Amino acid sequence: DTGVSQDPRHKITKRGQNVTFRCDPISEHNRLYWYRQTLGQGPEFLTYFQNEAQLEKSRLLSDRFSAERPKGSFSTLEIQRTEQGDSAMYLCASSRTSGRIGEQFFGPGTRLTVL
Amino acid sequence: KQEVTQIPAALSVPEGENLVLNCSFTDSAIYNLQWFRQDPGKGLTSLLLIQSSQREQTSGRLNASLDKSSGRSTLYIAASQPGDSATYLCAVTQGGSEKLVFGKGTKLTVNP
Repeated sequence: DTGVSQDPRHKITKRGQNVTFRCDPISEHNRLYWYRQTLGQGPEFLTYFQNEAQLEKSRLLSDRFSAERPKGSFSTLEIQRTEQGDSAMYLCASSRTSGRIGEQFFGPGTRLTVL
Repeated sequence: KQEVTQIPAALSVPEGENLVLNCSFTDSAIYNLQWFRQDPGKGLTSLLLIQSSQREQTSGRLNASLDKSSGRSTLYIAASQPGDSATYLCAVTQGGSEKLVFGKGTKLTVNP
């Protein structure tokens, strides 16, 4: 299997700018998840998709955050009007709904720094 | 609200030692429990998945056990090696939600 890939790996931006991250899941996985991780903490759930449907969203996902998975393949996470508190590692994961259900496989992450 | 705790926060051992990492969760109605490894600045690598009907899973030198009734899981690492140095994270899912709820992890250092 080709693993989960994320792009870019690093992003530095100025406060107030918009940023967009991309995630490509493992090819046969129809579930895709976004998490955020800050230093010294475990990842926190943001949202997840089954195919193109966004089925669950965390309260952490403020109005400035939006995620899409238009064709049920790759996904994008956009943050508008970035704030310094958005600085974190953004992790994407995918899983299947048949066979070994529920095991989530993570990508390398996108590290966001907001100056 | 599910909370996951991992003790200790950090552990340093000499190479070759067998060790146990602990994970506890407050709500025993879990669906899956998953152990991960994370190297500094990297993503997470899945180590073991235990489904709620299972008691343990093994992969190589790793063995994870699950006791739902007491809200605990342990990750046993046999014959530790310097390459095992990393942060180990425990996470659970519950019925009705696909999200993983993570602990803060245990940072393991294996000294040569």
